[in-house]
Amino acid sequence: TQLLEQSPQFLSIQEGENLTVYCNSSSVFSSLQWYRQEPGEGPVLLVTVVTGGEVKKLKRLTFQFGDARKDSSLHITAAQPGDTGLYLCAGLNSNSGYALNFGKGTSLLVTP
Amino acid sequence: DVKVTQSSRYLVKRTGEKVFLECVQDMDHENMFWYRQDPGLGLRLIYFSYDVKMKEKGDIPEGYSVSREKKERFSLILESASTNQTSMYLCASSLTGDRTDTQYFGPGTRLTVL
Repeated sequence: TQLLEQSPQFLSIQEGENLTVYCNSSSVFSSLQWYRQEPGEGPVLLVTVVTGGEVKKLKRLTFQFGDARKDSSLHITAAQPGDTGLYLCAGLNSNSGYALNFGKGTSLLVTP
Repeated sequence: DVKVTQSSRYLVKRTGEKVFLECVQDMDHENMFWYRQDPGLGLRLIYFSYDVKMKEKGDIPEGYSVSREKKERFSLILESASTNQTSMYLCASSLTGDRTDTQYFGPGTRLTVL
């Protein structure tokens, strides 16, 4: 199984602060995805990055795929309470070709 | 909008019972998946299916089986429930399974085995 290590595991910040979440692996992935999960719900896809060095922006969220396609980061600018949730990175499982390997997640709490 | 529904949000069963978790998707997706999610362990793949009547083991298939008799429905079966199977179970579906494909998740079933 290709492991995806996420850091930090927990993050508690004040509204308006910036933060970065990291997703690292020793394996190369053809793509990496970021999902967000809110309490009591299933994960929802935020973005897919496929090219080494790619940067994608989604409003205040910036996603980057490492040049070697082994790591990715998620940066949130001016966090808001609505950003609270569990952020998961995921890459295609090389054995199955269909299923995803997920990181353990970063639990973010943004307080007013 | 894609919709993935799971038969129960909460379920309480006793040790040794046979448990069925049902998942239905309404977008004609080829692939369906069952994961379990535990604190500190993240999402782990139990089984997946890329076609009707086809199934593949994931990373933690022991103690589970699956059934996919129709394209839209994927069932997870716990033959004899044990306390270590207490968990959140998430079903997902995807159209193609290629590297840019999206997995759509259901809301989850929180199973407690007493």
